[in-house]
Amino acid sequence: EAGVAQSPRYKIIEKRQSVAFWCNPISGHATLYWYQQILGQGPKLLIQFQNNGVVDDSQLPKDRFSAERLKGVDSTLKIQPAKLEDSAVYLCASSSRLTQGNEQFFGPGTRLTVL
Amino acid sequence: SQQGEEDPQALSIQEGENATMNCSYKTSINNLQWYRQNSGRGLVHLILIRSNEREKHSGRLRVTLDTSKKSSSLLITASRAADTASYFCATYRMDSSYKLIFGSGTRLLVRP
Repeated sequence: EAGVAQSPRYKIIEKRQSVAFWCNPISGHATLYWYQQILGQGPKLLIQFQNNGVVDDSQLPKDRFSAERLKGVDSTLKIQPAKLEDSAVYLCASSSRLTQGNEQFFGPGTRLTVL
Repeated sequence: SQQGEEDPQALSIQEGENATMNCSYKTSINNLQWYRQNSGRGLVHLILIRSNEREKHSGRLRVTLDTSKKSSSLLITASRAADTASYFCATYRMDSSYKLIFGSGTRLLVRP
């Protein structure tokens, strides 16, 4: 079974530039999550989707971050414009069913450096 | 905000010794999960314990849960150098938020 795929693995941009990350979850997983992990901290949930609907985006900085999952499969997370404090690893995860609190399967992450 | 807090923040042990990490949380939970993160890699799920369970084993891992104290512990027995990683507890709450809240992690170093 293929795991969660993410690209790119690394990205370096200047502040105020835009960046986009892509995630393809495990086949058949209806729930998809985007996390931000700042160095030395645990992952912080940014947004979660159930199929193509948003379940929770309460911690997404909506003035600069956006995410979509149009066909209920893969997803993109965009930052526009980026700030220095956005430097972090962005993790995508998926799980089979939202309400059962099942384990989540994580991709390798995208390490973003904002200069 | 982060629900779980791990203790200690960092732990260094000799290969073959046991490693114990603790996690405390604030609100009622449905289950608690432990994840491992190796340097430069994504998180990997280790074990899940439900709120009505007190202890669970998986290979060299032993997890306990005390809901009255809102705490959990992860014990790794006979540690190996390959166990060097960061370990995170994550709580799945009983309210309608349907999300995992991760702690800040324990960084474990197992010296050969």
